Amino acid sequence: SQQGEEDPQALSIQEGENATMNCSYKTSINNLQWYRQNSGRGLVHLILIRSNEREKHSGRLRVTLDTSKKSSSLLITASRAADTASYFCATEETSGSRLTFGEGTQLTVNP
Amino acid sequence: DVKVTQSSRYLVKRTGEKVFLECVQDMDHENMFWYRQDPGLGLRLIYFSYDVKMKEKGDIPEGYSVSREKKERFSLILESASTNQTSMYLCATVPWAENSPLHFGNGTRLTVT
Repeated sequence: SQQGEEDPQALSIQEGENATMNCSYKTSINNLQWYRQNSGRGLVHLILIRSNEREKHSGRLRVTLDTSKKSSSLLITASRAADTASYFCATEETSGSRLTFGEGTQLTVNP
Repeated sequence: DVKVTQSSRYLVKRTGEKVFLECVQDMDHENMFWYRQDPGLGLRLIYFSYDVKMKEKGDIPEGYSVSREKKERFSLILESASTNQTSMYLCATVPWAENSPLHFGNGTRLTVT
């Protein structure tokens, strides 16, 4: 079953704007990860945040984690057309090492 | 950089055929996974393996089997392909180290006619 649920399912913005995607999950986790997938390709890891962390940055990416609300957000600042892709959150549950993926958010950045 | 190679990008097979999807990794990772990805359903885990000759069922193993004879290679087998197995198949690997991300191959888009 899918634990992570992304919101929104689709997001369309203009170049230069910020994009925010949210992820909710149901069980206790070791970490939460965000991946990106270009059309027709495999997933590429973006950032991992551990359960004892609240915020993490990597370049134009900012991830937050609220374990009390079982939610995470991915912020992409100053978006570019090349950021157009699907973004997935995945959770590693404390009960095992398997990752469970959400259905993804399709981000379109218009030039 | 970890390299995960899936043998075919696109594959077209007929109903009832036996299909082999191959995945090879070059980083000595212990864990390997097979997912399928369908619109509206996200990624679903079919099988995974945490060591040579070891395998565990994922969430949707029906109609599939796997083989891991060597550490670097993890094969997904469709014993008798059916049209509902038309999908994108993704292989991924990860070492045993805690808090490690998955490394994915580029996927195989399988069409069963």
